[in-house]
Amino acid sequence: ETGVTQTPRHLVMGMTNKKSLKCEQHLGHNAMYWYKQSAKKPLELMFVYSLEERVENNSVPSRFSPECPNSSHLFLHLHTLQPEDSALYLCASSQDVSDTIYFGEGSWLTVV
Amino acid sequence: AQSVTQLDSHVSVSEGTPVLLRCNYSSSYSPSLFWYVQHPNKGLQLLLKYTSAATLVKGINGFEAEFKKSETSFHLTKPSAHMSDAAEYFCVVSKPAGRRALTFGSGTRLQVQP
Repeated sequence: ETGVTQTPRHLVMGMTNKKSLKCEQHLGHNAMYWYKQSAKKPLELMFVYSLEERVENNSVPSRFSPECPNSSHLFLHLHTLQPEDSALYLCASSQDVSDTIYFGEGSWLTVV
Repeated sequence: AQSVTQLDSHVSVSEGTPVLLRCNYSSSYSPSLFWYVQHPNKGLQLLLKYTSAATLVKGINGFEAEFKKSETSFHLTKPSAHMSDAAEYFCVVSKPAGRRALTFGSGTRLQVQP
């Protein structure tokens, strides 16, 4: 139990669907992150939120839309995805953006 | 700029023998360094971190790593492998406090043979 909970753990969606990934952290941290892990590629940072403000967006396509309503919750809204977007999406949090990062168990996304 | 290189994509050891996972880094700053482990179908778990205190860092599950600035290395070791150590291990370099950026290595898959 890492204190970072992601739901759903597995998601299969069509290219025309709209779905969301949810992340909740119970650690009292102020920063939250979305990472993408694809087969045979290094972990890719997608978004960083600090105190609910987006502070980093690493050239992620607009079909991925993050939302951070408060410091404990982070969403990743998905729409019109492509098959190459199939991956493990990891949420993480840290006390602040310079501190050690703690990961959730990930959401496996398959786009068909 | 910073980068991290994990020198072996796969390592296979026998249960009870030592483990060595190699990591070299480059950084324009005095970096923070981490090792994370990922078991199958799980997220990443922090094993240990180096943040400019003692150069030999002890982590969970009997793992330790030594920061060697002269060699720009941060190799992960364990004296005796256990079957439960089979997983993917990631070496990570971070900029100093106040600067955001984690650079992940490509990972080393550790197999433990009975």
